Amino acid sequence: GIQVEQSPPDLILQEGANSTLRCNFSDSVNNLQWFHQNPWGQLINLFYIPSGTKQNGRLSATTVATERYSLLYISSSQTTDSGVYFCAVITGANSKLTFGKGITLSVRP
Amino acid sequence: DADVTQTPRNRITKTGKRIMLECSQTKGHDRMYWYRQDPGLGLRLIYYSFDVKDINKGEISDGYSVSRQAQAKFSLSLESAIPNQTALYFCATRGTSDYNEQFFGPGTRLTVL
Repeated sequence: GIQVEQSPPDLILQEGANSTLRCNFSDSVNNLQWFHQNPWGQLINLFYIPSGTKQNGRLSATTVATERYSLLYISSSQTTDSGVYFCAVITGANSKLTFGKGITLSVRP
Repeated sequence: DADVTQTPRNRITKTGKRIMLECSQTKGHDRMYWYRQDPGLGLRLIYYSFDVKDINKGEISDGYSVSRQAQAKFSLSLESAIPNQTALYFCATRGTSDYNEQFFGPGTRLTVL
């Protein structure tokens, strides 16, 4: 099946810093989503982005489908950005969302 | 009100007990999913359903069963709970196409003693 690798596994930032989170996948995809899991365990949809670039406030994402990677940018980080960021993809083969192992982000005041 | 709801939100039970986790959605989606998450890991698929008459096993279905009572309701059962089923369980929904966004419920924290 498709492999989804996220890097770095852990990231520590000072409040106000910028960061880039990466997701590599091993096959072409029909669907790619980024999620934020907050400290209470809830999964928040950030972006649905199988290709192209989107922006939502301080967050933006870019997927280069032909090169099989996606990037999530966080600018001017805040302590509330802390948590785990997951990338998940669907290939045409099975219509199921496959998750990476996540990136744990800690933003310090 | 939340579009995808799960009950209970937290549950502590004992080994050997039967447990049912329930999921309801108001998004009108046909596809529904159950996942589990263990500490330090991503989500793994337990079961999924593309409509009321369609049930499919995911990658870790052993020890679990499901019921799709209606388009809006999908329940997960642990027939005889064991400690290694202690995890965070998520229900999710998606529209008909692979190109639709998937949405998750708030999760159920299950502890099996």
